[in-house]
Amino acid sequence: SQTIHQWPATLVQPVGSPLSLECTVEGTSNPNLYWYRQAAGRGLQLLFYSVGIGQISSEVPQNLSASRPQDRQFILSSKKLLLSDSGFYLCAWSRQGARTNEQFFGPGTRLTVL
Amino acid sequence: AQSVTQPDIHITVSEGASLELRCNYSYGATPYLFWYVQSPGQGLQLLLKYFSGDTLVQGIKGFEAEFKRSQSSFNLRKPSVHWSDAAEYFCVINTGGFKTIFGAGTRLFVKA
Repeated sequence: SQTIHQWPATLVQPVGSPLSLECTVEGTSNPNLYWYRQAAGRGLQLLFYSVGIGQISSEVPQNLSASRPQDRQFILSSKKLLLSDSGFYLCAWSRQGARTNEQFFGPGTRLTVL
Repeated sequence: AQSVTQPDIHITVSEGASLELRCNYSYGATPYLFWYVQSPGQGLQLLLKYFSGDTLVQGIKGFEAEFKRSQSSFNLRKPSVHWSDAAEYFCVINTGGFKTIFGAGTRLFVKA
């Protein structure tokens, strides 16, 4: 069976500090990978998606970047955090070539920027 | 433009009562439809999905949803709510590409 991991689970960072959130998927190969942000009381906003190693698509301009150094690893980064980067970050995966793009979500990382 | 509307930001029901969460979408054809549930501080879990065929779909935890093409709706229902159902529920559509659109969510409160 497939599992998806995210770490850390929670993170408190000062404004201006760097960020690195990691997501890994087990039990599948060549998945599509996604990063979402969920602000308090709101739905999910797609930040990035990736269809393969080194292939990143950005959905919204922002202070964040993403990388996919390995097939099942997806990293969300920032060089300098802003207060507005606070939120709940969710990683998800879907099967490559799946017609419906059904997505499976990780447990999330709660980021607080002070 | 494609969109998903969940008109109820929050709903409170008594334990044992029936539940219906509303969802309407805007899209020129029938999208792929999903309902996810999110417990506080957790990721999202898929409850059920509709792709084609029978418009009444059964999901996990006793939930069901009915697709109504004429109303562009995909409402989620449960005949008898349990306290453990308290969570946030998201209606989601996918139109076949990577663009997956989430509703803003409905938070369900269950009172004893």
